Amino acid sequence: DSGVTQTPKHLITATGQRVTLRCSPRSGDLSVYWYQQSLDQGLQFLIQYYNGEERAKGNILERFSAQQFPDLHSELNLSSLELGDSALYFCASSLGRQDTQYFGPGTRLTVL
Amino acid sequence: AQSVTQLGSHVSVSEGALVLLRCNYSSSVPPYLFWYVQYPNQGLQLLLKYTSAATLVKGINGFEAEFKKSETSFHLTKPSAHMSDAAEYFCAVSGGGFKTIFGAGTRLFVKA
Repeated sequence: DSGVTQTPKHLITATGQRVTLRCSPRSGDLSVYWYQQSLDQGLQFLIQYYNGEERAKGNILERFSAQQFPDLHSELNLSSLELGDSALYFCASSLGRQDTQYFGPGTRLTVL
Repeated sequence: AQSVTQLGSHVSVSEGALVLLRCNYSSSVPPYLFWYVQYPNQGLQLLLKYTSAATLVKGINGFEAEFKKSETSFHLTKPSAHMSDAAEYFCAVSGGGFKTIFGAGTRLFVKA
């Protein structure tokens, strides 16, 4: 158990819909990262927050947004969902900006 | 800027044989280097980490990796493969304020 929690574990929704994925980092960790993992694209870095502020952006679509709240939990919002958005979404946390990342168990999103 | 290349998307070894997973990196600053493992339907977990101390780093489950600056490599090895080592392995690089970059992953198959 990494100490990072993600909810929900599974999410099934339809194209065009909007969903919110939630992540609680390990106690004391200030950085939160979001990744998308799919069979065709592999592990893709989406975005990083550090102590509430956006610090790095990866291959995140404009339809996707994220934020980190004062209590350090984070949410990833995915809107106007397409079939291709079906993937595993991982959250990770670390103490600082470049420390070891601890990954949550992931949320499996299926868009029908 | 930084990048990481994992040579071989799939590696197959027999149980008891040497495991060698290759990782080459590029970094304009002294790097931090990581190996993560992902078992089916789970998040990534840290195997080992290099942070400019000893060049030979020992990790969990009998794995180790050697940092070779002249070759810009950080290959992962294990003397004797076990069936439970079958998983996907990711090399990652960070440092100098740059975001962590993950390699494409190498899937390890272990034959009985």
